[in-house]
Amino acid sequence: DTAVSQTPKYLVTQMGNDKSIKCEQNLGHDTMYWYKQDSKKFLKIMFSYNNKELIINETVPNRFSPKSPDKAHLNLHINSLELGDSAVYFCASSPILKGDTQYFGPGTRLTVL
Amino acid sequence: QKEVEQNSGPLSVPEGAIASLNCTYSDRGSQSFFWYRQYSGKSPELIMSIYSNGDKEDGRFTAQLNKASQYVSLLIRDSQPSDSATYLCAVGYAGGTSYGKLTFGQGTILTVHP
Repeated sequence: DTAVSQTPKYLVTQMGNDKSIKCEQNLGHDTMYWYKQDSKKFLKIMFSYNNKELIINETVPNRFSPKSPDKAHLNLHINSLELGDSAVYFCASSPILKGDTQYFGPGTRLTVL
Repeated sequence: QKEVEQNSGPLSVPEGAIASLNCTYSDRGSQSFFWYRQYSGKSPELIMSIYSNGDKEDGRFTAQLNKASQYVSLLIRDSQPSDSATYLCAVGYAGGTSYGKLTFGQGTILTVHP
């Protein structure tokens, strides 16, 4: 069974479109995260949720909106996609907030044309 | 601005040698330190965590932490071609608005050649 799963794995879309990426974890963790990894492999946190509550909201354009319907799911919706949004987006989860082990999903490669 | 710095490499070592990967961080309030391995096209995978000064060994991997020097390293003994990957250093914080946040370095590309 996959611990942290994401869909879709690949996403190719046109500028200006709206798209969503879904994440689910079956580890029973309370905290989930979204990271963005750019073409230079730099991995940067975007958001974290603890039991459906937003905890970390880094300097991310408000075109990006996370949604957590329950503690096992954290989705990312992106409005008005731009070329610079092209990256790999990773979802992760951890059992507690405090510097604990984060388990990453397989990633979603987003390409904006 | 909390920063984590790594040499981007690539670091090339022969099979069987010791690979040494280094990382420095800027925030003295950092409390947890991690090394992740990322194969090309795959997700980061945790290989070591360290929380207090000194060495921590796990198989062929040894993490070293020196909080006074704000320095953390990873040694890989008896390097194998399968160790070829990008190694990401990550630093965690426990206080304020950074609670639970990991800041990653830019990664070091390691190549182990036969």
